[in-house]
Amino acid sequence: VLTQSPGTLSLSPGERATLSCRASQSLGRNYLVWYQQKPGQAPRLLIYGASSRATGIPDKFSGSGSGTDFTLTISRLDPEDFAVYYCQQYDIAPVTFGGGTKVEIK
Amino acid sequence: QLQLQESGPGLVKPSETLSLTCSVSGASISSNSYCWGWIRQAPGEGLEYIGVIYSSGSAYYNPSLKSRVTISLDMSKNEFSLNLNSVTAADTAVYFCARRPLVGGFDSWGQGTLVTVSS
Repeated sequence: VLTQSPGTLSLSPGERATLSCRASQSLGRNYLVWYQQKPGQAPRLLIYGASSRATGIPDKFSGSGSGTDFTLTISRLDPEDFAVYYCQQYDIAPVTFGGGTKVEIK
Repeated sequence: QLQLQESGPGLVKPSETLSLTCSVSGASISSNSYCWGWIRQAPGEGLEYIGVIYSSGSAYYNPSLKSRVTISLDMSKNEFSLNLNSVTAADTAVYFCARRPLVGGFDSWGQGTLVTVSS
């Protein structure tokens, strides 16, 4: 089970966002990814392997963590970054998604 | 450029079978470097993994759906399909098809298709 917190994060443009994803079991290979989803769109892969940015993802997005605790950081929020963010693990079968964190404009 | 496109009925009756196809262009589903999967999202809810299939034909499913799900490949058409039987209203969702590298997240997604289960 993946637990994301907080459920909603209210921030202003330019601020830093820190999103948490906690696994109920240790992900030994750190096979943890992060997605961004905007309304009416498919998710977009941001981070894989806990800390590697996917192709074309700007360096304002960074992932960190290992074992059971993982973090997605957005260094400075731009208007287009307000969205829902999901973590997903593919370390332990079956693949599971977290419940999501909504980053909203304060 | 890789594109995935879901197709299938938007309305399915309870107890019947939901069948969707994902047409892939710009890449071959026979590649050994990727697997091909289905993910769904109920209205206003989060993402739920359904399963994936590899080019070998081996498929792996979410245990919560395993008894009702089949994912298959059609190499000749470069498509893969989802069948979900005995549907109920709880299966109403946007269904996405997606590609996943053997190690990594789902890196390319279809736009999604809404399937409503209702009589």
